[in-house]
Amino acid sequence: QVQLVESGGGVVQPGRSLRLSCAASGFTFSSYGMHWVRQAPGKGLEWVAVIWYDGSNKYYADSVKGRFTISRDNSKNTLYLQMNSLRAEDTAVYYCAREMPATVVTPGGAFDIWGQGTMVTVSS
Amino acid sequence: AIRITQSPSSLSASTGDRVTITCRASQGISSYLAWYQQKPGKAPKLLIYAASTLQSGVPSRFSGSGSGTDFTLTISCLQSEDFATYYCQQYYTYPQTFGQGTKVEIK
Repeated sequence: QVQLVESGGGVVQPGRSLRLSCAASGFTFSSYGMHWVRQAPGKGLEWVAVIWYDGSNKYYADSVKGRFTISRDNSKNTLYLQMNSLRAEDTAVYYCAREMPATVVTPGGAFDIWGQGTMVTVSS
Repeated sequence: AIRITQSPSSLSASTGDRVTITCRASQGISSYLAWYQQKPGKAPKLLIYAASTLQSGVPSRFSGSGSGTDFTLTISCLQSEDFATYYCQQYYTYPQTFGQGTKVEIK
């Protein structure tokens, strides 16, 4: 079945780095744009980053620009999020999500498949 | 960045009630708006995309409307499984932004 599974979360000290992975299965990964979305404990959803289906374009939230890098390996059906210079405010559950493509009658862009999330805690 | 103002932040309702949640964008976003449902400890679930298109498998009691800056999610007859938090999201431009969420609680 169509599935996204995140991994790589954990507890890390401020200023350190962490890399998250998102393994895709059940669909043609290389055909879809992919996103990271995070949710701080008890808070709402925050969009983090996007990478186009072929890796040609990437965009970031201002809160992570210059510190986080999104990438993908289409041969491994895997999405990544490299997080450097981590701060306490980066503490959150991180979700990867698949972007719906456009159709003849509707624009693409909504997130139709989500992973279960991986928790990142930044604390000394 | 486009700001999305979602209201109310919470509401209490009974099963069978009609519930309406609104989102207002700080600038026009055409119909590039989605609605998600999230239950505690779970990932969000897509309900509506392109402002009014029901995602496959989502019950028809959910509907969306609006374009430009004002959007509405309506649950026509609230069921027990609908008690959750709902978010809208604009995907018109980057950075994409979400509303603050609406928690639908049992009265």
